[in-house]
Amino acid sequence: NAGVTQTPKFQVLKTGQSMTLQCAQDMNHEYMSWYRQDPGMGLRLIHYSVGAGITDQGEVPNGYNVSRSTTEDFPLRLLSAAPSQTSVYFCASSNTPGGPYETQYFGPGTRLLVL
Amino acid sequence: KQEVTQIPAALSVPEGENLVLNCSFTDSAIYNLQWFRQDPGKGLTSLLLIQSSQREQTSGRLNASLDKSSGRSTLYIAASQPGDSATYLCAVNSGGGADGLTFGKGTHLIIQP
Repeated sequence: NAGVTQTPKFQVLKTGQSMTLQCAQDMNHEYMSWYRQDPGMGLRLIHYSVGAGITDQGEVPNGYNVSRSTTEDFPLRLLSAAPSQTSVYFCASSNTPGGPYETQYFGPGTRLLVL
Repeated sequence: KQEVTQIPAALSVPEGENLVLNCSFTDSAIYNLQWFRQDPGKGLTSLLLIQSSQREQTSGRLNASLDKSSGRSTLYIAASQPGDSATYLCAVNSGGGADGLTFGKGTHLIIQP
């Protein structure tokens, strides 16, 4: 049981480049979400999904897209990277479809540096 | 908008001491509150989850309490060990959806051997 996995662990991008951060979970969880963690800011919700085919915006969605074609995968796409998107990105999942009403399981994170 | 504050921001204590980490939130209409541990360069590990109807939860040397009406939670760590050194994060669930979890900025804890 791998839990929540994220790839890559670290990435360097140039301004304007695009990339996809991968997230997968093997716990059959319906609810998945993406957070970013910045120094002095705490974690902030980017996008979330309550099940396959259903996604919605969180607190800081601008510059990011998501899709949920399967229960297991929830990729986060940066369309045109900006230095302000330099951060650590965490994917999380939980067992309840309506939201994070039960224990949240977090992935190990992806560190992104945008030059 | 829900805001979560954690005090102190940093704490350093000798091994063996009992300690308390504090978390406060501005909107008492919450579904649950979670305490997480984060080690440097790692993800978050859930320690305890307290539903809004509960007063406390215990796991080993950890005890978390919740006073929803006053907007406060505490994490009590008994007989601290160097392995407890980490950043501890408090997160409040105010109803899912776009709110997700609202996190505090964390308490950086160092246990001196």
